[in-house]
Amino acid sequence: KQEVTQIPAALSVPEGENLVLNCSFTDSAIYNLQWFRQDPGKGLTSLLLIQSSQREQTSGRLNASLDKSSGRSTLYIAASQPGDSATYLCAVREYGGSQGNLIFGKGTKLSVKP
Amino acid sequence: EPEVTQTPSHQVTQMGQEVILRCVPISNHLYFYWYRQILGQKVEFLVSFYNNEISEKSEIFDDQFSVERPDGSNFTLKIRSTKLEDSAMYFCASSDEGSGQPQHFGDGTRLSIL
Repeated sequence: KQEVTQIPAALSVPEGENLVLNCSFTDSAIYNLQWFRQDPGKGLTSLLLIQSSQREQTSGRLNASLDKSSGRSTLYIAASQPGDSATYLCAVREYGGSQGNLIFGKGTKLSVKP
Repeated sequence: EPEVTQTPSHQVTQMGQEVILRCVPISNHLYFYWYRQILGQKVEFLVSFYNNEISEKSEIFDDQFSVERPDGSNFTLKIRSTKLEDSAMYFCASSDEGSGQPQHFGDGTRLSIL
């Protein structure tokens, strides 16, 4: 059974610092991996989607990498800002099933201090 | 940018009552999903829906749950006889393709069962 783990559970950094969030998954038979941002009491905002055949995706200050064989993904945030404070979730989409549901990690709660 | 909208934002219901949670997916999307997040826990998949029928469902989605697309824009989740453990945030999501495209989430409905 697929398990998704995110470490650390919480992270506090000063503004301007570059940081890396980690996501690992137990079964490498995934279709893709999606990173989300969740603000308190809000829904999930899709940040990046990496297909299983890709190694990385970039959007602005965000860069996500995927190493499927080792079951790992990282989300790199450059020059962090207080507005980046949120919980970051990763989710994998497995092969099998007609549509492929998302399996989530518990998230990393990021706090960027001014 | 198009978005998924959910109503109500907060629903309070007595145990044993029926509730209907409503979602308007992004207009050109064809695949629809419900997820839930119990406070402090991971986001969990409930059900996926395509072409007017359920594609996949999780163990959580038992006979007390049902989904419907009553018209061309709405997608609903019904819980027939609510239990205390149904208290959670319920998220609707949609995508324009089954597995290769990102899922876009609404802001959720917080369901509180008394």
